[in-house]
Amino acid sequence: KAGVTQTPRYLIKTRGQQVTLSCSPISGHRSVSWYQQTPGQGLQFLFEYFSETQRNKGNFPGRFSGRQFSNSRSEMNVSTLELGDSALYLCASSLGFGATEAFFGQGTRLTVV
Amino acid sequence: EDQVTQSPEALRLQEGESSSLNCSYTVSGLRGLFWYRQDPGKGPEFLFTLYSAGEEKEKERLKATLTKKESFLHITAPKPEDSATYLCAVQAGNTDKLIFGTGTRLQVFP
Repeated sequence: KAGVTQTPRYLIKTRGQQVTLSCSPISGHRSVSWYQQTPGQGLQFLFEYFSETQRNKGNFPGRFSGRQFSNSRSEMNVSTLELGDSALYLCASSLGFGATEAFFGQGTRLTVV
Repeated sequence: EDQVTQSPEALRLQEGESSSLNCSYTVSGLRGLFWYRQDPGKGPEFLFTLYSAGEEKEKERLKATLTKKESFLHITAPKPEDSATYLCAVQAGNTDKLIFGTGTRLQVFP
């Protein structure tokens, strides 16, 4: 059974640019959540999608957005990149019904220069 | 505000020296408490889910327990390959959002 796949694994972008990250959840999983991980703040929740609907959003500026497609694949977009957006972006998938296990991908390492 | 606190921040153990990691939480309507292991540069790897006080789960040298206010991850006779950051997270309310602690960085020396 394939795990959670995130692409790309690494990205280097310049301040002011925008970036799109992709996440393919485990087959059959309908819930996808995104997290930002930095050394100073740890894992911070960005947003959660279930059946193409955003169910919850963390305390991040509007430059961070996401969406989920009918096949449960999800993308997140960051516009007008800032140096502070450099982080490991992690996607987690789960069945989405109750307190079920969430499985993480390997993450996308974004570096903003 | 929902909060998760892990201690200690870092732990150095000799191979075979058992110890425990702590995760204390304050949350309204706990639905589950999760333990993950994370190696450098990789995504968190799922270990356990605990749902109610008194519950215990084991996997190889690891044993997780849950009370109404905290969870412990006991490591028995650790090996160098157990070296990693161990993360605790809680899920509450009607969302799948996970609230993470800052983790315990474990180093096991031969």
